Amino acid sequence: EAGVTQFPSHSVIEKGQTVTLRCDPISGHDNLYWYRRVMGKEIKFLLHFVKESKQDESGMPNNRFLAERTGGTYSTLKVQPAELEDSGVYFCASSPRVPGGSETQYFGPGTRLLVL
Amino acid sequence: SQQGEEDPQALSIQEGENATMNCSYKTSINNLQWYRQNSGRGLVHLILIRSNEREKHSGRLRVTLDTSKKSSSLLITASRAADTASYFCATGRWNTDKLIFGTGTRLQVFP
Repeated sequence: EAGVTQFPSHSVIEKGQTVTLRCDPISGHDNLYWYRRVMGKEIKFLLHFVKESKQDESGMPNNRFLAERTGGTYSTLKVQPAELEDSGVYFCASSPRVPGGSETQYFGPGTRLLVL
Repeated sequence: SQQGEEDPQALSIQEGENATMNCSYKTSINNLQWYRQNSGRGLVHLILIRSNEREKHSGRLRVTLDTSKKSSSLLITASRAADTASYFCATGRWNTDKLIFGTGTRLQVFP
């Protein structure tokens, strides 16, 4: 079974540019999460999709970040315009939707974003 | 924001020794999980312990949970060079799926 995949693995852009990150969850997983780790800090939750619906977007830092999951399969996270403080590693995770909730989340390798 | 904290921040040991990492958190939890991240790779789920459990084992891993102290420990016995990685605790809470991560412990195991 293929794991969570993310594209690109690395991205270097200039301040003010736009970047779009993609996440393909494990097939059949309704739950999809985005997290990020800014340099030297802890991994922080950004948002949670259940299928195509945003269940919780309390961690989104500001309106420069836009996440979508059209069709309830893969998800994209767009940063527009990118700022220096957006640099970090963006992780995607997925989990199945089971009665009582599924606690274990399966993470992708992350996208390393550097904004210059 | 609510965060977990791990200590030590970094730990260096020789192969064969045991490694103990601690995690503290601030709020009531449903479960606590430990993840490993090898350099440049994603997070790998290691073990989950529920709030009504006190200890759990998985292979060379032993996790304890003390909800009265809001703390957990991860013990890796007979460590190997391949255990070199960063280890994170993450707490799951009631009524939300999001995980709250700690700051991580960087473990270096020398052959």
